[in-house]
Amino acid sequence: NAGVMQNPRHLVRRRGQEARLRCSPMKGHSHVYWYRQLPEEGLKFMVYLQKENIIDESGMPKERFSAEFPKEGPSILRIQQVVRGDSAAYFCASSGTSGKTDTQYFGPGTRLTVL
Amino acid sequence: QKEVEQDPGPLSVPEGAIVSLNCTYSNSAFQYFMWYRQYSRKGPELLMYTYSSGNKEDGRFTAQVDKSSKYISLFIRDSQPSDSATYLCAMGRADSSYKLIFGSGTRLLVRP
Repeated sequence: NAGVMQNPRHLVRRRGQEARLRCSPMKGHSHVYWYRQLPEEGLKFMVYLQKENIIDESGMPKERFSAEFPKEGPSILRIQQVVRGDSAAYFCASSGTSGKTDTQYFGPGTRLTVL
Repeated sequence: QKEVEQDPGPLSVPEGAIVSLNCTYSNSAFQYFMWYRQYSRKGPELLMYTYSSGNKEDGRFTAQVDKSSKYISLFIRDSQPSDSATYLCAMGRADSSYKLIFGSGTRLLVRP
């Protein structure tokens, strides 16, 4: 009964490089959410995706950040031209539906460090 | 002003103590209230889920929501060292319940 999988668990990038974070939802789940957690802060919503659709990206920075959830394969959070301020833990969650009572199950996170 | 305020702690208690964790919020549109537990370097794990006002109990955990005061609480009875973690409150609006708004978390240490 595999939970939400994220890889890599740790990612180090130099300023200006690209970061790709991957998330495989729980089996049977078709809704994916990405959150960012800065040190000593709570999680901040970034984006909500269903297969091949972005439902709500209101929490995504306007530039350099993008997300996708293709028909086949994991969801990808992509950060172009990373800066030091992008250093954070990025968590993915999934749910079976987006119903009001549905639970979001979180993965272990990817810790991005920008040098 | 943050939408959700949570005392960061740390909160240190002896084993067996009753722990009270709290959050206040400013947005009256919140209808869904959750408590997550997060161990160091791990993802959040859902502990309690409450809709609107009232109490909910699950084992040693009790969640309370007071919408009139915009205040939610999590009580842990007979606390154990394994309860040592960061506890995050989270809330959702009726029109966008998937967009969880988290508090910054309270770090709890239960001493043996």
